[in-house]
This record gives sequence, C-alpha cells and structure tokens, in this order.
Amino acid sequence: GAGVSQSPRYKVAKRGQDVALRCDPISGHVSLFWYQQALGQGPEFLTYFQNEAQLDKSGLPSDRFFAERPEGSVSTLKIQRTQQEDSAVYLCASSPLSIGGNSPLHFGNGTRLTVT
Amino acid sequence: DQQVKQNSPSLSVQEGRISILNCDYTNSMFDYFLWYKKYPAEGPTFLISISSIKDKNEDGRFTVFLNKSAKHLSLHIVPSQPGDSAVYFCAASRNAGGTSYGKLTFGQGTILTVHP
Repeated sequence: GAGVSQSPRYKVAKRGQDVALRCDPISGHVSLFWYQQALGQGPEFLTYFQNEAQLDKSGLPSDRFFAERPEGSVSTLKIQRTQQEDSAVYLCASSPLSIGGNSPLHFGNGTRLTVT
Repeated sequence: DQQVKQNSPSLSVQEGRISILNCDYTNSMFDYFLWYKKYPAEGPTFLISISSIKDKNEDGRFTVFLNKSAKHLSLHIVPSQPGDSAVYFCAASRNAGGTSYGKLTFGQGTILTVHP
C-alpha cells in the first residue's frame, strides 16, 4: 500500500508480558516517528529515527520501551514487562524529509494495546 | 505541563455554517503549527499548516490564523460539511537551531460534529 502500515491493529497483553509493534513506513521516507496516544489525549512523542539512526528517544517513558529500525525502513517498538499504564494507541508516522525540513507527518492507523 | 492546549473538548455546528476551532500554546520557541484531523480507528491526517512568519494560511474551505503575541491559533472551516465531523488536533514544533525534524507537540483534540 501507499500509506504507513502498522501491525497488529489490536494487541491484548497480560501484565508482565513483552510486546512488539511493527511499523512499515512509506517507501523512501527518511524520517520515522513513534507516538503514544492515551485515551482522550493527543499523541505524545516517543522517539525519532533518521534512516537507521535513532536520533531522539527523549519521549520513551521508561527503559522498558525500546525501538529499532535496523535497515532504515521497517521499525519495531518493543515494550518489556508491560504495565496497565502502557495501554494506549501507538502511532507510527513517517516523513520524506530529514533534519532541517518541515514536512507533514504521515501517520499509520495505530496499534491499540490493552494491558490486562 | 501542557504546552499546547485545546480548551474546547467538543464543538457542534450546523451544516453550511462556520466552524472555529481554537488552540493556545505556551512555548514561545514554537515556530511551525499544524492541524490534523482524525476519524475513529484511523491515524491523524494532515490538514493545514502555518509558519510563524505568517499570520494566515488558506486552503480551500480551511483557513488557519496565527496570533503570535497571544500565542493563539485557530482553524476556520467554511462552509462546514457533515464529512468534517472528526477530532481535530492542533500541533506545534520548534526549529531548534535549524535542526527541526518534525517532532510535534499535540493538543488534546476537539471533537467537531457537523449536523445536517
């Protein structure tokens, strides 16, 4: 497809389980972002990649959160030992531009994570 | 601290009338502002943006106004259509010494309902 693709769409995890969320950005897009959106709130920045380099991870809430983009295309957000407060929609977005540019982000439809 | 605020959780408008969505920000370093629209179970979709060097940007039925002294922006939709019913997010970014890469700070969103 032409857009940002995220999988799975829904994930239910028991507290303490590890989860992995996948993002396929638009082909050729240099920049990739992960955002977390809690119920009733706006998206909050988690981390940013330029190609395979993770240039900003200041928004990751704890060391249980880890993201990678090893070949500069597909990215995975991993959450270890999930907690109930991790329940949210995780959005991935990509952009064709790198540092110095302003280009609207193209968002995927998100993965809704529910931790029980 | 909420650096971008949308104080109206919801707005209801009659079809054909004007919809005005408001957004306030506190960080004077923000220099690029965007509006995103979000339908249920989908990711946010870019609508319109404005740079801090301008005070107005228009695109068809959508106009964004920026008042830097008041740290306030608004989105006007004229005429409103039932298909415009969605959640609208205001977002802002800052060009940190020319290294901006689109890291966005979002407001909480406003639910717009346009009645036929």
